[in-house]
Amino acid sequence: GAGVSQSPSNKVTEKGKDVELRCDPISGHTALYWYRQRLGQGLEFLIYFQGNSAPDKSGLPSDRFSAERTGESVSTLTIQRTQQEDSAVYLCASSLQGVTGGGNQPQHFGDGTRLSIL
Amino acid sequence: AQSVTQLDSHVSVSEGTPVLLRCNYSSSYSPSLFWYVQHPNKGLQLLLKYTSAATLVKGINGFEAEFKKSETSFHLTKPSAHMSDAAEYFCVVSAGGTSYGKLTFGQGTILTVHP
Repeated sequence: GAGVSQSPSNKVTEKGKDVELRCDPISGHTALYWYRQRLGQGLEFLIYFQGNSAPDKSGLPSDRFSAERTGESVSTLTIQRTQQEDSAVYLCASSLQGVTGGGNQPQHFGDGTRLSIL
Repeated sequence: AQSVTQLDSHVSVSEGTPVLLRCNYSSSYSPSLFWYVQHPNKGLQLLLKYTSAATLVKGINGFEAEFKKSETSFHLTKPSAHMSDAAEYFCVVSAGGTSYGKLTFGQGTILTVHP
């Protein structure tokens, strides 16, 4: 498809386990973003990639959260030793340009991964 | 620093009546502003964007928004609501400077449309 693809769409896991969420951005989009949407709350910015580097990691809530991007395409968000407060929908977005191109490029969002920690 | 305030958490209208979803923003730089819509169990879809061109911006599905710098507002309107418009709407700001590309979302407004 032509849109941003995220997998899995749903993930249920036990507290303390590690989880890995995947994002396939739109082909050719150099900028990639991860957001978190907790139930009843707005979206929180987590991390931004420009190419393979992450100029802005300011939103990662703790050192249990990490993300990487390889080949200027796929990105993975990893949460170690999950806690119940990590339960949320994790959204990935991509755009043609990020920091180098200004903030006026719209971001295209995937459908998200719904993460539930038991 | 940038922030967004959506003034109503819930808006309820009858089908065929106008829609007004209110948004105020603050930004240290000239902002880009967006409205996104999220239908249940779906991802976010871009409705429209303002990027310092025309202050009245037309989007998809008959929505439009007007950028008013003096009021720091970017309210979303539609002349006639349709049942399919029922969803959650997010006002979003992307500022310049070192925050290029980083979006700040409002808390969202849930729009209910009654038959």
